[in-house]
Amino acid sequence: AQKVTQAQTEISVVEKEDVTLDCVYETRDTTYYLFWYKQPPSGELVFLIRRNSFDEQNEISGRYSWNFQKSTSSFNFTITASQVVDSAVYFCALRIAGANSKLTFGKGITLSVRP
Amino acid sequence: DGGITQSPKYLFRKEGQNVTLSCEQNLNHDAMYWYRQDPGQGLRLIYYSQIVNDFQKGDIAEGYSVSREKKESFPLTVTSAQKNPTAFYLCASSLRGPYNEQFFGPGTRLTVL
Repeated sequence: AQKVTQAQTEISVVEKEDVTLDCVYETRDTTYYLFWYKQPPSGELVFLIRRNSFDEQNEISGRYSWNFQKSTSSFNFTITASQVVDSAVYFCALRIAGANSKLTFGKGITLSVRP
Repeated sequence: DGGITQSPKYLFRKEGQNVTLSCEQNLNHDAMYWYRQDPGQGLRLIYYSQIVNDFQKGDIAEGYSVSREKKESFPLTVTSAQKNPTAFYLCASSLRGPYNEQFFGPGTRLTVL
């Protein structure tokens, strides 16, 4: 069975601070996909990034960056120079290869960015 | 604009009544999903459908039912058998294949009084 652990439940930072959201996953499959989603107060989940298990290259998109390390089964997300608009719940999710596989979510991290 | 529509945003029902939550998408996606979110919890899968006229139970299907008569629509019925139906319900859709990201609707907050 697959499992995603987001050990941090709530993080509070002051605007312009950098913040890293941790994600640790468990799976016995060698082919799998990792995702990050953002859920702002409006409630709708917004897709941020996908990474497959064969691609350990880190990714940077503006102020966002992701660090994927298979050796530690982690897929961490860093926001540089945080802004108030970054306040949201962030979910990490895992899905293994297979037609009927399901997306397994972590419990989410509530990020509050104070002005 | 392409997207997923869920209605209504807020829904109140009396205990013992069945209620149907609407989900419509115009993204031409084959796969659709229903999730339940409770405070402090991740999303839990209720039902999913990979193709019209076919659907499978997720992790918490008891007390729920779905239909998939059209590609665009995947309504969820919360029956009176669901013991704790008050929650936030999210519908999603995607292209088929586990590597494809799911797109989510705005959600329906159901409160059973």
